[in-house]
Amino acid sequence: SQQGEEDPQALSIQEGENATMNCSYKTSINNLQWYRQNSGRGLVHLILIRSNEREKHSGRLRVTLDTSKKSSSLLITASRAADTASYFCATPQGNTPLVFGKGTRLSVIA
Amino acid sequence: EAGVAQSPRYKIIEKRQSVAFWCNPISGHATLYWYQQILGQGPKLLIQFQNNGVVDDSQLPKDRFSAERLKGVDSTLKIQPAKLEDSAVYLCASSLSLSANYGYTFGSGTRLTVV
Repeated sequence: SQQGEEDPQALSIQEGENATMNCSYKTSINNLQWYRQNSGRGLVHLILIRSNEREKHSGRLRVTLDTSKKSSSLLITASRAADTASYFCATPQGNTPLVFGKGTRLSVIA
Repeated sequence: EAGVAQSPRYKIIEKRQSVAFWCNPISGHATLYWYQQILGQGPKLLIQFQNNGVVDDSQLPKDRFSAERLKGVDSTLKIQPAKLEDSAVYLCASSLSLSANYGYTFGSGTRLTVV
């Protein structure tokens, strides 16, 4: 089934540093979505990048998409303690519901 | 706009008991999903509704799990009887349509502990 796999599984950085997470997928996609999940909460939709887009920005978030390599990256600039969360990518196809990987657990240390 | 509402927030039951979870999606969202998230893993789809009809329930353990969305708005997910391995967070999400071009809005989830 369609699935994004996040890498690394865990990431620990100092406040103010940049955090980069990667996502790989297997088949062609319409779009790729990134979600954040704070501990004990539901997932929050961060950004959707379409297959014909290469880069998208939202505040301190920057997402890139390389369809030739079937990969995407999420960059969080100037990280804050509040960015501590798990981050998931999802790659829907057609009307298939989103399938999530295990995510990247980001810890931002103040 | 109001978010996806779920209740209860937490539930502890003994194995073999039954439990029900409730979800109220965002107004106007035709598509509703129930996901199960075991600790340390990503959410796994259980069932997908479009209005009051089931679109995909292929991963729902139908011998013990059931779900309904009778009027195409609220939904309930039931487990009867519960097993220890059902301990997880149950997340409800909604989206405008079946189209993959819309993101999902998730509720805060119900954390179920089966003892």
